[in-house]
Formats: sequence, C-alpha cells, structure tokens
Amino acid sequence: DTGVSQNPRHKITKRGQNVTFRCDPISEHNRLYWYRQTLGQGPEFLTYFQNEAQLEKSRLLSDRFSAERPKGSFSTLEIQRTEQGDSAMYLCASSLDRGRIYFGPGTRLTVL
Amino acid sequence: DAKTTQPPSMDCAEGRAANLPCNHSTISGNEYVYWYRQIHSQGPQYIIHGLKNNETNEMASLIITEDRKSSTLILPHATLRDTAVYYCIVRPEGGSQGNLIFGKGTKLSVKP
Repeated sequence: DTGVSQNPRHKITKRGQNVTFRCDPISEHNRLYWYRQTLGQGPEFLTYFQNEAQLEKSRLLSDRFSAERPKGSFSTLEIQRTEQGDSAMYLCASSLDRGRIYFGPGTRLTVL
Repeated sequence: DAKTTQPPSMDCAEGRAANLPCNHSTISGNEYVYWYRQIHSQGPQYIIHGLKNNETNEMASLIITEDRKSSTLILPHATLRDTAVYYCIVRPEGGSQGNLIFGKGTKLSVKP
C-alpha cells in the first residue's frame, strides 16, 4: 500500500495561467475525490469519480475547473485562467466503494 | 454544511488523556460518526468511526452516547505528535453520496 500520491506538491503560478495537478489513488480503489482547503478551514468537497465516471460536482467547481479520470486510475485537476482566490491546498483522496477514505498529501497552489 | 459542532481549540498535557467532544444532534439512523485528524501541512488521516457502539483501535477510542446526539474521541496517552486539527464528521451509509463534509474541527495542542 503506497498510499495516495499527488504531484506536484507545490505550485506557484501567475494569475491567468493554467495549472494541472495529478493524483494517483491507492491501486484497487475505484472512487477518487478532490477537495480544496483554504487557510483555517476544513477541506471542501469539489468532485468525485466512480471509476472513470464523474458522479458529483460541488457548486464550488466553477467553469474554470475541470477534472478527469480517463481510465479509472489516475486523475487530473486543471484550473484555467487562475485567480488569486484559487490559492489553496488541493487534496485528493480515494476509497474502495463506500469504504474508508484515504487522503493524499495535497498540492499547495499559490497564485501571484 | 457540516452537521457537527466541535470546540475550536483544546489543550492537553503530554501523557494525559485527550477527550475531544462532538455534537451531532441531527444525526440520522444510517449515519456513521467518523473522526479524522490533520497534522500541519499534511492530508487528513483517518482515526476511527462508529455507528452506535463504542469503538477502540490502536489510535483512539470513540464513545457515542445512547441517543447518538454526541460523541467523544479519546486519545488515551496524548503525545506531542498528536497535536493536530481533529474533525468529527457524520457520513451516511448507503445511497450515492460518498464524500465527507468537514467542519472547522478542533485544534488540539499537546503541551509538554
């Protein structure tokens, strides 16, 4: 069990640029989740996949955000035309069906 | 919105038991109580969960009141490494919703 991994761990970008984050879930896990966490707040749910199907999206996931899980394994989260308000920790998590949810270490995004 | 209420912060002396309370007065019959913790700059870590009965594992004990409207997480011998934000979450079993809804949690400071 290598755990959930996320890359990169840190990303600094300029406002208006596009960024993409990758998440590799625990190998046999069919569900994959994305959360966002700002300073002093708990993680906020963004979206989740069951295999390759995106089953739920939060209203926090604006049109500039897109998530994919093309083969039901790894996932990417892209943010287009980044804004300073996008600065946050982006957390990925995975689970086997409705079992225990395991989180990755997160990607910290700073938008200048 | 989170369905739980927790104190924003607590202190505990090293080696003593840490008792973290959580109110979930609107919990439904099919909802479990989950506890996660988040050490600074890391992803949330699963601690324990339960439905009705008290639960114990290698990390902690979970005491759920008979009416299930509140619970207490007990760390029996707190160490400095237990300093973290602790989140109490209610999560429904069954149905399509699978994600966790976090509140602000309790910031536990273990002091020497």
